[in-house]
Amino acid sequence: VLTQSPATLSLSPGARATLSCRASQSVSNYLAWYQRKPGQAPRLLIYDASNRATGIPARFSGSGSGTDFTLTISSLEPEDSAVYFCHQRDIWPMTFGQGTRLEIK
Amino acid sequence: EVQLVESGGGLVQPGWSLRLSCAASGITVGSYDMHWVRQATGKRLEWVSGIGTAGDTDYRDSVRGRFTISRESGSNSLYLQMSSLRDGDTAVYYCVRRLWTAGGGFDLWGQGTMVTVSS
Repeated sequence: VLTQSPATLSLSPGARATLSCRASQSVSNYLAWYQRKPGQAPRLLIYDASNRATGIPARFSGSGSGTDFTLTISSLEPEDSAVYFCHQRDIWPMTFGQGTRLEIK
Repeated sequence: EVQLVESGGGLVQPGWSLRLSCAASGITVGSYDMHWVRQATGKRLEWVSGIGTAGDTDYRDSVRGRFTISRESGSNSLYLQMSSLRDGDTAVYYCVRRLWTAGGGFDLWGQGTMVTVSS
């Protein structure tokens, strides 16, 4: 089970966002992060815990291993408003977190 | 343009069957691991099934024996044949590509097709 926190995060443009994903057992580094905006398909941001996917801005970074993972957005922009969810592929069946809603106020 | 477009969803009664399709453009479905992921309203995403480039298939326990994933090169499409549908299968179903050069992440998603199982 992947548990994300907080459920909702409200921050100002330019601020730093820290999103957490905790696994109930170790998933090694086989964790990905996605961004999902209303009406759009999810977008892969980070894979294998810390690798940015193609075309993802450097302000997005991932860290962690085992059971605790973090997605950091270093300097928020208005377009970062979205739901962010994590995904593990180490333990069958692969599972997803419930998501963190990030609001840019 | 690279995209996946799902179709075939609808309202069916428990026990009925439905076939979902996913038409790919800009990619060849047979060249990638392809999966179906679903999301019920208010619930988290849930992996349903996958098919590898070698044709190997996998299913979550709750759908094994009821769902069949397949692909067809001629139409460049992915399919999910669903039978003996249950209320718990109600969800939006997404066709996704798994990219091993992106750590096995799902890098391409369709917009989804809604399946409602209700009497």
